[in-house]
Amino acid sequence: GAVVSQHPSWVICKSGTSVKIECRSLDFQATTMFWYRQFPKQSLMLMATSNEGSKATYEQGVEKDKFLINHASLTLSTLTVTSAHPEDSSFYICSSIHQGDRTDNEQFFGPGTRLTVL
Amino acid sequence: GNSVTQMEGPVTLSEEAFLTINCTYTATGYPSLFWYVQYPGEGLQLLLKATKADDKGSNKGFEATYRKETTSFHLEKGSVQVSDSAVYFCALTLTYTGNQFYFGTGTSLTVIP
Repeated sequence: GAVVSQHPSWVICKSGTSVKIECRSLDFQATTMFWYRQFPKQSLMLMATSNEGSKATYEQGVEKDKFLINHASLTLSTLTVTSAHPEDSSFYICSSIHQGDRTDNEQFFGPGTRLTVL
Repeated sequence: GNSVTQMEGPVTLSEEAFLTINCTYTATGYPSLFWYVQYPGEGLQLLLKATKADDKGSNKGFEATYRKETTSFHLEKGSVQVSDSAVYFCALTLTYTGNQFYFGTGTSLTVIP
C-alpha cells in the first residue's frame, strides 16, 4: 500500500516557539492531505484539509493563523504550530488519499507526531 | 449529518475469546466504511474496509459486514490474541465531502493471557 511518513515523530519545544511538522507521501502523489489532532484516549479530530497549490480549508474552531499549513508540492504538506503553548501538546496525524485508489476512498495515515510544549 | 457511533470501551478479554465491537453510522449518501487500528504510540493502520452494502471486509482474522438496513459495520474476531490489544476506530467517508473521514471515538481493547 501507499506510504505516508511524518517528521519528526516526537518533538519537545518551549512555550512561544514554532514547530514545523512534515507529512510526505513516499510512493505516490497526493493532491489532498488531511491533518488531524488526537488528544489522549480520544478520537481523531480533523483540523484542516490541505490542497496542493492552494490554501488549506480549516475546520470550524481551528485557528488558521496558529496552525499554518503549506502544501507546496504533490508529496509534501507541512503543519506549523506557531507560538506554541502547553495546550497545543497533542498527537498530530496526517493522511492522504492515493489518487489511483479513489474508487474506495481509502486514506493512508502517517505514523503521527507527538508534540510536547513545555 | 454524517457521524459514526462506536461502542465505548475499554474492553478487556481473555486470549482466544470472541470479540465484537459495535459500530453504527449516519450518512447522507452511500459511504465507504473502514476499521482502523492504532497500536500504542503509533499512527492509524487500515484493518479492513467495505465500499458498498453487503460487502464483507476481512483481515488478520477480523471481519466486518456493511449492513445498510441497520446502518452498521460491527467488527468481529473469533479468537483474539494478546497482540490484538490496541485501539480500534470505525470510520466512514463520502466522496462528495472531499474524502473527509468521520471517526468514531475509538474502542480500547486489552487482551490478557
